Amino acid sequence: QVQLVQSGSELKKPGASVKVSCKASGYTLTSYVMNWVRQAPGQGLEWMGWINTNTGNPTYAQGFTGRFVFSLDTSVSTAYLQISSLKADDTAVYYCARGEAVAGAFDIWGQGTMVTVSS
Amino acid sequence: DIQMTQSPSSLSASVGDRVTITCRASQSISYYLNWYQQKPGKAPKLLIYAASNLQSGVPSRFSGSGSGTEFTLTISSLQPEDFATYYCQQSYRPPRTFGQGTMVEIK
Repeated sequence: QVQLVQSGSELKKPGASVKVSCKASGYTLTSYVMNWVRQAPGQGLEWMGWINTNTGNPTYAQGFTGRFVFSLDTSVSTAYLQISSLKADDTAVYYCARGEAVAGAFDIWGQGTMVTVSS
Repeated sequence: DIQMTQSPSSLSASVGDRVTITCRASQSISYYLNWYQQKPGKAPKLLIYAASNLQSGVPSRFSGSGSGTEFTLTISSLQPEDFATYYCQQSYRPPRTFGQGTMVEIK
């Protein structure tokens, strides 16, 4: 079936980097954009941006430029989110979510990856 | 950026109640409004897309309406599995902003 499977939880120290993976199955990765969404503990959903899976061109929301990088490896149907120079307030669950073509809704979500930044 | 405001922020209701959640956009977004349900510790799930279209597999007690700047999500008869947090989201233009969420709790 159509699904997105993300990598497991991460515990990182401040200043480190993390790379979260999101593997697509049951459909062709390059047929839909891939969005990234952050949810800090006890908070709502925040759109981080998306990547055009045809061109590899990323778009970042304000507040997610500089330290955040979206990338792809189409050979393994996987999207990636890399965060560098981690800070305590990057602690959150990060979701990948497929953007459907008709209305731009996020119709398939990964299960989420908890990233904890703590010394 | 387009701001999305949901009301109420939380509500208490009983099984069988009719529940309505409102979402207002800071400018017209036509029908580009989506609704999601999120249960604790789980990923959000798409319920309604393009304001009024039921996502495949979602029970028919969920419905959406509205256009422009005002939208509603209605649950016609609340079931035990519907206790969750609901988010609206605009997909009219980037950034794809979400409302702050409405928590539906058991009365």
